[in-house]
Amino acid sequence: QSVVTQPPSASGTPGQRVAISCSGSSSNIGNNYVYWYQQFPGMAPKVLIYWNNQRPSGVPDRFSGSKSGTSASLAISGLRSEDEADYYCVAWDDTLSGPVFGGGTKLTVL
Amino acid sequence: QVQLQESGPGLVKPSETLSLTCTVSGGSISSSVYYWGWIRQPPGKGLEWIGSISDSGNTYYNPSVKSRVSISVDTSRNYFSLNLNSVTAADAAVYFCARGRTVRASGVTTYFFDSWGQGTPVTVYS
Repeated sequence: QSVVTQPPSASGTPGQRVAISCSGSSSNIGNNYVYWYQQFPGMAPKVLIYWNNQRPSGVPDRFSGSKSGTSASLAISGLRSEDEADYYCVAWDDTLSGPVFGGGTKLTVL
Repeated sequence: QVQLQESGPGLVKPSETLSLTCTVSGGSISSSVYYWGWIRQPPGKGLEWIGSISDSGNTYYNPSVKSRVSISVDTSRNYFSLNLNSVTAADAAVYFCARGRTVRASGVTTYFFDSWGQGTPVTVYS
């Protein structure tokens, strides 16, 4: 059981806006940057959001991240079928002295 | 463009040692800007950080495996390695190596994994 929690699943229809939540504590999200990764089956995770809300080059601006206190959120607007994937939030944990991964959220595009 | 590639046996017997290597190309492993880490993903489950190493050889391990794990780096050959001993069925997973880009904030250095290998599956069988 991860110390950073995400809903196991989320869904939406094409064109919709979906938000995936991530909840932690003062030792991780509350005191450090949050990162979001996208993972397709059989593939390595890819950075989607870094430093809470920054997008690497090549990531569409449909993806956005935010953080408030000990929680964070990934929003996907204009949902597309190719967004169907697993999404993980990650934050540095001061107690662990390493990164802690959320349990992941499987996004289904209906 | 840095690339990372895991290699090693895909089958390990219970109680034996799992050994994997991550070869880094397109960039030097000898950089204080980066850490080098291992992450695993059991079948159908989420990601778990195993541990990391700096270019100078300082190691950091997840307490969940700390008593069984060691990570080393060979800067002359540009690779780093993972050894996990006394494996059990619970260690069966896809193992990823990754590059950790350092971030300095409020006087503290952390990192996040910005480049990943493709992953290598490890099965524990008896």
